[in-house]
Amino acid sequence: AQSVTQLGSHVSVSEGALVLLRCNYSSSVPPYLFWYVQYPNQGLQLLLKYTSAATLVKGINGFEAEFKKSETSFHLTKPSAHMSDAAEYFCALLRSNDYKLSFGAGTTVTVRA
Amino acid sequence: NAGVTQTPKFQVLKTGQSMTLQCAQDMNHNSMYWYRQDPGMGLRLIYYSASEGTTDKGEVPNGYNVSRLNKREFSLRLESAAPSQTSVYFCASSEFKNEQFFGPGTRLTVL
Repeated sequence: AQSVTQLGSHVSVSEGALVLLRCNYSSSVPPYLFWYVQYPNQGLQLLLKYTSAATLVKGINGFEAEFKKSETSFHLTKPSAHMSDAAEYFCALLRSNDYKLSFGAGTTVTVRA
Repeated sequence: NAGVTQTPKFQVLKTGQSMTLQCAQDMNHNSMYWYRQDPGMGLRLIYYSASEGTTDKGEVPNGYNVSRLNKREFSLRLESAAPSQTSVYFCASSEFKNEQFFGPGTRLTVL
């Protein structure tokens, strides 16, 4: 079955430090992968997407993700955390059999001053 | 351009009551979705509509019904609410194989 797994339900970083959120996927075909962000009491907003073009994908707000087929990973990074990055982040995979999204359980990011 | 809108934002129901959650999109998307979000479980698909006039069950359809009223609107109905349906409900829309755009959510409590 095509799915994603997010490693770590909570991540705490200091302001200015690297943000690294981990996502591994399971798929027998090249996947379409997405990262979404959810700020408190809001809906989900797309950060970036991978659709089998460049393996390094740049998104909004300084985030980027690298698709690594050998590791079946699509980790999200940001070089320097800002207080406004405090939110919940979801990795998602577009299933090739029915074109619906499978979401990870989410990672909550806390930024310490 | 409002994107995806949902009403109401908040709702409290008693067990057994019914209600309809409304969703509309102005992006001319063919596909629309209803999800529920519960702590630690990510988003789970309740129902899906690939195009006007079609609907399909998702992972957790029990206790819900949907109507794709036209291309813009997709409503979710709870006929007899249960405490297990306490959740945050999100509507989304997309074009085929593209990213989904989400509404702001409806926070539902069933007592």
